[in-house]
Amino acid sequence: EDQVTQSPEALRLQEGESSSLNCSYTVSGLRGLFWYRQDPGKGPEFLFTLYSAGEEKEKERLKATLTKKESFLHITAPKPEDSATYLCAVQTYNKLIFGAGTRLAVHP
Amino acid sequence: NAGVTQTPKFQVLKTGQSMTLQCAQDMNHEYMSWYRQDPGMGLRLIHYSVGAGITDQGEVPNGYNVSRSTTEDFPLRLLSAAPSQTSVYFCASRPGQLNTEAFFGQGTRLTVV
Repeated sequence: EDQVTQSPEALRLQEGESSSLNCSYTVSGLRGLFWYRQDPGKGPEFLFTLYSAGEEKEKERLKATLTKKESFLHITAPKPEDSATYLCAVQTYNKLIFGAGTRLAVHP
Repeated sequence: NAGVTQTPKFQVLKTGQSMTLQCAQDMNHEYMSWYRQDPGMGLRLIHYSVGAGITDQGEVPNGYNVSRSTTEDFPLRLLSAAPSQTSVYFCASRPGQLNTEAFFGQGTRLTVV
């Protein structure tokens, strides 16, 4: 059965304290892995797409990496405005399957 | 561009009532889908459509119907609302290629009492 698991469920960081979020997956026929950011009361917003093991993408303080079994979202020197829920999703043949997300809180 | 527009934003229903959640996109995307989001469970796929006239079931389709008569619109119908359908519902669209980013609406918060 296709499955996406994110950890930790919640993460509290001090401003400037770097960390990583994990997304592990077991799917048949991975066609892409996506990271989204979701703010309270809003729909998810696209961050990155990764297609193959070894691929990396960066955007400001965020860097996403992909292996054959998991993806990491690295957050370098986070700021309070990075506080949000980060969702990982994997694309199979015809479906986009989401993990439960990691709630990130960055405190000044 | 409006992107993906969902209406209403909030709705309270009584058990047994029916209603339709509206979703419209102005990006000429072929692929549209409906998700529900519950605490601790992430987004779960209800129904999806790969183009006008074509729909299919997702992970949790029971209690919901969809139709796709135009490229722009993809309404979700609750036939007889139940408290278990209390959730936040998101509509998403993407271009025809499946490995492209999805654009989400702002969500509809539904409460069934």
